[in-house]
Amino acid sequence: EAGVTQFPSHSVIEKGQTVTLRCDPISGHDNLYWYRRVMGKEIKFLLHFVKESKQDESGMPNNRFLAERTGGTYSTLKVQPAELEDSGVYFCASSPDPGQGASEAFFGQGTRLTVV
Amino acid sequence: QKEVEQNSGPLSVPEGAIASLNCTYSDRGSQSFFWYRQYSGKSPELIMFIYSNGDKEDGRFTAQLNKASQYVSLLIRDSQPSDSATYLCAVKAGYGGATNKLIFGTGTLLAVQP
Repeated sequence: EAGVTQFPSHSVIEKGQTVTLRCDPISGHDNLYWYRRVMGKEIKFLLHFVKESKQDESGMPNNRFLAERTGGTYSTLKVQPAELEDSGVYFCASSPDPGQGASEAFFGQGTRLTVV
Repeated sequence: QKEVEQNSGPLSVPEGAIASLNCTYSDRGSQSFFWYRQYSGKSPELIMFIYSNGDKEDGRFTAQLNKASQYVSLLIRDSQPSDSATYLCAVKAGYGGATNKLIFGTGTLLAVQP
């Protein structure tokens, strides 16, 4: 079974440009999460989809970030326009449990975003 | 105060020894606790979860939880060089979709010396 897949694995863009990250969760997983780790800091929650609906977007830093999950399958995270402080590793995770108990979240390998 | 605190390390142990990784959390309402292992450049991989006070064992790994002290730990017995990685402690606030997010510590780097 394929795991959580993220594209691209690495992206280098200039400040002010737009970048779109993609996440393909494990097939059948209703829950999809985006997290981010900036240099030297802990992994931080960005948002949570249940199917195509945003369940919790309390971690989104500002309105330059837009996440979508059309059809409840793959998700995209767009940063427009990118700023230097957006650099970091963006992780996607998915889980099959709609929210009860200690369900396991499977993580992708991340997209390393560098804004120069 | 950080929500989840870990010593960043590195924690260096000789091969065959017990590695002890510690984590404290600030939210008394936290219900579920996770240990992830992350090799450099790879995805975090879940090794243990625990949500009841006491010990939970799985092979060479034991997770320990003390909710009164807001403390969770991971013991790795018979440490191997392949255990060298960053160990991330993560906490989930409660049950239900609105609080399903994980709150991570910064991770502890473990180095097992052959």
